[in-house]
Amino acid sequence: EDKVVQSPLSLVVHEGDTVTLNCSYEVTNFRSLLWYKQEKKAPTFLFMLTSSGIEKKSGRLSSILDKKELFSILNITATQTGDSAIYLCVRELTFGTGTRLTIIP
Amino acid sequence: GAGVSQSPSNKVTEKGKDVELRCDPISGHTALYWYRQSLGQGLEFLIYFQGNSAPDKSGLPSDRFSAERTGGSVSTLTIQRTQQEDSAVYLCASSLGGSGRGADTQYFGPGTRLTVL
Repeated sequence: EDKVVQSPLSLVVHEGDTVTLNCSYEVTNFRSLLWYKQEKKAPTFLFMLTSSGIEKKSGRLSSILDKKELFSILNITATQTGDSAIYLCVRELTFGTGTRLTIIP
Repeated sequence: GAGVSQSPSNKVTEKGKDVELRCDPISGHTALYWYRQSLGQGLEFLIYFQGNSAPDKSGLPSDRFSAERTGGSVSTLTIQRTQQEDSAVYLCASSLGGSGRGADTQYFGPGTRLTVL
């Protein structure tokens, strides 16, 4: 079945905390898995992962894909209030329902 | 350069009416996608255009939904005989294309919020 499952659905942490967002999927043959941040309407691109075990980093954000165990994680360190958003994981055209992250000052 | 634009930004219509939603992709992007996002839900794929190939319509929920992409650029999503369950934000995205459906970075427009009364 072609499902992308994200967890947790919702997460509330204090500014400065580190968070790990999870994305699991069921289809093994695909080209890329992407992460997006959605603050209002339009999702904005964060990472594209194509190879297993290679971490991608951008500032305080990082992400890695495990094609053997069929999951990806998105890490955010030293969280800031501006990180509050819905984080979407997508495998080709199948989106997860997202993780709503709220950072409390 | 401009990003993906969509119009209108908001549309309120009565049940049973037809609506047209427009998307202007980024110039030079050969791939164009339509999604919808209902309140509290994830993005649901509707249709995918790649160059001059026949569109992938596998996500369209019913035959009331159709889309065109004229001249490989602007796209119009049409919903006929709208129902209340069609109320959602309709998002358009474009990408450079060529890597396969959904395989490259998509750039999203601001969406059209459709409300069917």
